[in-house]
Amino acid sequence: GDSVTQMEGPVTLSEEAFLTINCTYTATGYPSLFWYVQYPGEGLQLLLKATKADDKGSNKGFEATYRKETTSFHLEKGSVQVSDSAVYFCALNDNYGQNFVFGPGTRLSVLP
Amino acid sequence: GAGVSQSPSNKVTEKGKDVELRCDPISGHTALYWYRQRLGQGLEFLIYFQGNSAPDKSGLPSDRFSAERTGESVSTLTIQRTQQEDSAVYLCASSLDGEGGTEAFFGQGTRLTVV
Repeated sequence: GDSVTQMEGPVTLSEEAFLTINCTYTATGYPSLFWYVQYPGEGLQLLLKATKADDKGSNKGFEATYRKETTSFHLEKGSVQVSDSAVYFCALNDNYGQNFVFGPGTRLSVLP
Repeated sequence: GAGVSQSPSNKVTEKGKDVELRCDPISGHTALYWYRQRLGQGLEFLIYFQGNSAPDKSGLPSDRFSAERTGESVSTLTIQRTQQEDSAVYLCASSLDGEGGTEAFFGQGTRLTVV
C-alpha cells in the first residue's frame, strides 16, 4: 500500500538557520503531496501542497518540490524563526478518492 | 460552521465503558476522515466516508470500533468496551470532494483518556 517516510526528529535549529525535512513516498499511482503543520496546542493545518510532478508548493517561506524521479517532497525554508517550532507531517492522497496517508511527523524546535 | 468541529474536546472514561465521539464537518464537504494520534506519534487512519459510497473501514483496529455518518453531515465514532491502549487524540477531517489534490481540513480533536 501507499506509505510516507520522513526523517526522524526532533530537529533543533538556531533562528535564521536553513531547514530541510526529508520526505519520500511510495504510491502505486501519481499522488498529490502535502505538508501539514501542527503548532503546539493546535490542530493540523495545511502548509503547502503539490498535485503533479515538478510542481512547487510554497507558503510562509516554506517550499517543497514534487520530484517524481526520486519520489520525494522535501520541505525547505531558508531562514527559520522561533515561531516555526511545530510538528511537520508529510502526506499523500492518491488521485482515486482514497484517504490521506501521513508520515510519522518531524518535530522542529527553533531556538532564539 | 467555519471549520471542522469535534466534541467533546476531552473525555475521560473508565476502562470497559463505551464512548461516542462526534464530528461536524465543514458544510458541503462530501469526504470525512477519522484518524487516531497517540502521544508523540503520527496519524493512524481509521475510517473514510465519501458521499454515498460504502465507507473504507480498513483502518479500524478492532471490532470495538465503529463509525457512522448521516448523509454528508455529522459523523460519530464509537468505541465499545474501551481499553487503556485506546487513549489517544482522535482527529476528524473533511474535504470538499475527496479527490486527489483537495486538502483535508482538520478539527481540534478529542483527547480520550481511558483510566
